[in-house]
This record gives sequence, C-alpha cells and structure tokens, in this order.
Amino acid sequence: RKEVEQDPGPFNVPEGATVAFNCTYSNSASQSFFWYRQDCRKEPKLLMSVYSSGNEDGRFTAQLNRASQYISLLIRDSKLSDSATYLCVVNDMRFGAGTRLTVKP
Amino acid sequence: DAGVIQSPRHEVTEMGQEVTLRCKPISGHNSLFWYRQTMMRGLELLIYFNNNVPIDDSGMPEDRFSAKMPNASFSTLKIQPSEPRDSAVYFCASTLRDRDLEDTQYFGPGTRLTVL
Repeated sequence: RKEVEQDPGPFNVPEGATVAFNCTYSNSASQSFFWYRQDCRKEPKLLMSVYSSGNEDGRFTAQLNRASQYISLLIRDSKLSDSATYLCVVNDMRFGAGTRLTVKP
Repeated sequence: DAGVIQSPRHEVTEMGQEVTLRCKPISGHNSLFWYRQTMMRGLELLIYFNNNVPIDDSGMPEDRFSAKMPNASFSTLKIQPSEPRDSAVYFCASTLRDRDLEDTQYFGPGTRLTVL
C-alpha cells in the first residue's frame, strides 16, 4: 500500500460548483499535512496547511480525520483558475499522485 | 527573494551519458529535497538533506544516482550512466526546518530530463 493515496480524477466540474478531494495516508503517526497545487508544466506550490481542527482560506476548506487517516480539500464556488492538479502531502515530503481538476465554463 | 534555482531547465542526452542537475536553495533554508516526477509514478522523494547532511536516500533508485550538498547553498544530483527510463522532471525544494514553523517546501522550476 502506498503511503499516500489520492483519486487521480480527473474531476470535471462547471464553474460555481463545489468539489471535494480526499487523500488517505497509511502512517498513523503522521504529524503534518498539506495541500499543494500544481499547474501544468509548473512546480508544486503550497495551497494550504491542514490543521487538526480544520481550517478555511476563502473558498478552500481543509480537514483532517485522524481516526480514518484521511485529509480532505473542499473548493466552493469553483473558478476556471482553479483548474490544476492538487497534491496532498504527509509529513512534509510524502506526496500523493495528485488529483486533476478541470473547471469548465 | 530569487526562490529555489535549478539548472539546467531542460536537458536532452543520450543513454550512457552522465547527467548533473544543480540546485541552489533559498538562502537561510536548512533542508533540501530532490524529487522526480513522472506521469506513471507521480512525485517521488529521492533524497533529502538537513544541514547539508543526507538524512534519507531510500528513494534513490539505484547506484547510478548520487547526490551531494557540499555547502548550504548548493546541491547536485548526478546520474551516471543515464538510461531512457530516467526521463522525468526533477525538482529541488528547500525549507527551513524549525519546530515552531510549518515546514512549507518551496520548489524550484524543475529540470526536464530526456534520455534518448
């Protein structure tokens, strides 16, 4: 089993839709969690950290479920510019394969 | 801040040749990571350094790969001899590891390697 697993998608949603991604991890002792965004042919960039209590940044909400060992990312009112691949990261350096999102007009 | 700098941005070489990828981390950062990204395998950690010391190289595919960090501002990843299956985008990332700070990684633009 991979350390970090994500549904690769692709997710194709219309503008304004709400979309959610999950990411499961295998190491129950994991301490830090992040979501990164990667645009086509670019480097990954930090989108947001994931805190135990859950956290929100504008249209983006991240949550952690330690009991079930997964993190989630919710995007509300999706924009065309949200189209990208979203990577979850566990313990700083273990990346999921990424979930590809395409937001269509 | 210039960010993480990688060179070259693109490299095309023939099987059997030696390839050296270079990375300059963000000034003040004390940890450096080398990753490889392919469509099939996603983003894989190859090796990471903390204070110039290799901490975990379990991701290095085989003896053909080697990495060094002679000082805090420079690292190299070398492949010798290169093979077509090494074709990928190689990213370098750096961070400031501090127990009071989040370990956000900052990635360089990557080196796109093609081995013919």
